[in-house]
Amino acid sequence: AQSVTQLGSHVSVSEGALVLLRCNYSSSVPPYLFWYVQYPNQGLQLLLKYTSAATLVKGINGFEAEFKKSETSFHLTKPSAHMSDAAEYFCAVSDRDNNDMRFGAGTRLTVKP
Amino acid sequence: DGGITQSPKYLFRKEGQNVTLSCEQNLNHDAMYWYRQDPGQGLRLIYYSQIVNDFQKGDIAEGYSVSREKKESFPLTVTSAQKNPTAFYLCASSIGASTYEQYFGPGTRLTVT
Repeated sequence: AQSVTQLGSHVSVSEGALVLLRCNYSSSVPPYLFWYVQYPNQGLQLLLKYTSAATLVKGINGFEAEFKKSETSFHLTKPSAHMSDAAEYFCAVSDRDNNDMRFGAGTRLTVKP
Repeated sequence: DGGITQSPKYLFRKEGQNVTLSCEQNLNHDAMYWYRQDPGQGLRLIYYSQIVNDFQKGDIAEGYSVSREKKESFPLTVTSAQKNPTAFYLCASSIGASTYEQYFGPGTRLTVT
């Protein structure tokens, strides 16, 4: 069965610092991987997705993620954090053998001035 | 504008009452989903539907019911059998199977006292 683990329920960075949010997945077949962002009391918005094309995926708001099969990872990065990046981030996995998408528990990002 | 609407944004009910949450999409998507979100637990799948007049249970379907009579509508009923119904409920849709990204509505926060 597919699953996702997000390491660190809370991450705090200073404005301008590197953002690194970790995601590891398990899937018995080639996965599709997604990162979503959620602002307080709102729905989820897609940041980026990996669908077996380029391993480095660029998304919205300056975020990118790299698919590393050997590490079963799909970490989310942004070179320079902005105050507006403060939100909760969810990694998700799906594959052709399953009819549902599995979400990680989420990582809350705090950006300090 | 295309998108997903959920109503109401906030809902209050007394224990023992059934309550129906609305979800409508005008994206012409075949698949629709209901998730429950609790702090620190990510998103858990309640029900999903891949086609009109058909739906499947997710991981936590007990105490919930759905219908899919129209492609654009997927209402969720929280019944009195649901032991802990207070939560944030999110509706989503996708073009087809779970390998496609999901688009989320703004959510409904249900409080049962």
